[in-house]
Amino acid sequence: DAKTTQPNSMESNEEEPVHLPCNHSTISGTDYIHWYRQLPSQGPEYVIHGLTSNVNNRMASLAIAEDRKSSTLILHRATLRDAAVYYCILRAMNNNAGNMLTFGGGTRLMVKP
Amino acid sequence: KAGVTQTPRYLIKTRGQQVTLSCSPISGHRSVSWYQQTPGQGLQFLFEYFSETQRNKGNFPGRFSGRQFSNSRSEMNVSTLELGDSALYLCASSLGGLRETQYFGPGTRLLVL
Repeated sequence: DAKTTQPNSMESNEEEPVHLPCNHSTISGTDYIHWYRQLPSQGPEYVIHGLTSNVNNRMASLAIAEDRKSSTLILHRATLRDAAVYYCILRAMNNNAGNMLTFGGGTRLMVKP
Repeated sequence: KAGVTQTPRYLIKTRGQQVTLSCSPISGHRSVSWYQQTPGQGLQFLFEYFSETQRNKGNFPGRFSGRQFSNSRSEMNVSTLELGDSALYLCASSLGGLRETQYFGPGTRLLVL
């Protein structure tokens, strides 16, 4: 599986935008980029995913570099509730891995009031 | 719709014992995956079940096993518990197709003394 690299931690102020980077230089053409987050004392939850084009949903935006070797999860206005560990995960389109998710270390986002 | 439920939420066992954890997926979901989360190793995939068949398996010893019932509920069993099995065990469900969004339960926290 292609590997992702994320900063261990980041800090943000409440109500400011947050840009969470992810490097995936060995990504293949059929890998989707998925983001999950894990709030304290909860299981991970899906945030967003994309292949080549930038994506938006009610939770966040995903900006994907043109060469797809990196991506950025954007929280437009961070709230205290967004404090969590954010995981960037690659999921291959064609493999036998079923629904297995390969989690890396993730980025712990701290939001200051 | 009710989310993924896991029982029990907390469990204390001693070395050498065995334990069974239960997971009820979201109604209509046919795939159930199990993960182990520890501070040292992070989130690691254990196995996935779909239509009562194991579809994929992670790199864990044979002491870890699972099964899925016809109503899609799943159980995982750990025999001959070791101290290192202390962890948060998470269950995730999805509709059943490949690379679908995974919906996680709150987890069962197992402490082995």
